[in-house]
Amino acid sequence: GAVVSQHPSRVICKSGTSVKIECRSLDFQATTMFWYRQFPKQSLMLMATSNEGSKATYEQGVEKDKFLINHASLTLSTLTVTSAHPEDSSFYICSAQSLHGTGEIGELFFGEGSRLTVL
Amino acid sequence: SQQGEEDPQALSIQEGENATMNCSYKTSINNLQWYRQNSGRGLVHLILIRSNEREKHSGRLRVTLDTSKKSSSLLITASRAADTASYFCATDAEDSSYKLIFGSGTRLLVRP
Repeated sequence: GAVVSQHPSRVICKSGTSVKIECRSLDFQATTMFWYRQFPKQSLMLMATSNEGSKATYEQGVEKDKFLINHASLTLSTLTVTSAHPEDSSFYICSAQSLHGTGEIGELFFGEGSRLTVL
Repeated sequence: SQQGEEDPQALSIQEGENATMNCSYKTSINNLQWYRQNSGRGLVHLILIRSNEREKHSGRLRVTLDTSKKSSSLLITASRAADTASYFCATDAEDSSYKLIFGSGTRLLVRP
């Protein structure tokens, strides 16, 4: 099956620094990627929809200046947590939609997630 | 935002028993999917059921969908310790079939 890679899988940073998380589709092109956030023992909350070559669409309540999303190519989307604080500590997961899919919903693939810890 | 609730929130059963998890959602849907997540890991797609389907099977998994009640259930038969994980239902958002809205999840513990 298709593979979506996230990097880094774990990151620890000091409060006030910025952290970039990459989401790559390894063997397919993805026009659209989605970023989710998950707190411990909770569900995945959709943060934003990342569209190749255009601005991301953020869900209500998500600060676009805090969570910068860039989707510069058909295989890479990045999420940058700017001026991170301890409350930003979370598990961030991306998913990618295949460009050449037949439109079947099954062609949506998830990364392994990135755990961010802000000290 | 979350689409709905899953119940139970946590379930502990003995190996060999069946596990049933329920999911309710709020809006009309095209598809409903079930995912599994091992602790600290990504999501694994289990099964997709379309809005015009009522039941679907895949190995030891059985999924039902009742669109009139806006609910779905996932049954895992003859559970194994390796089935221990969190299970989430997910529905497509109204504006995109690929934008998934997840339920609150059920944490399943299968005791050996």
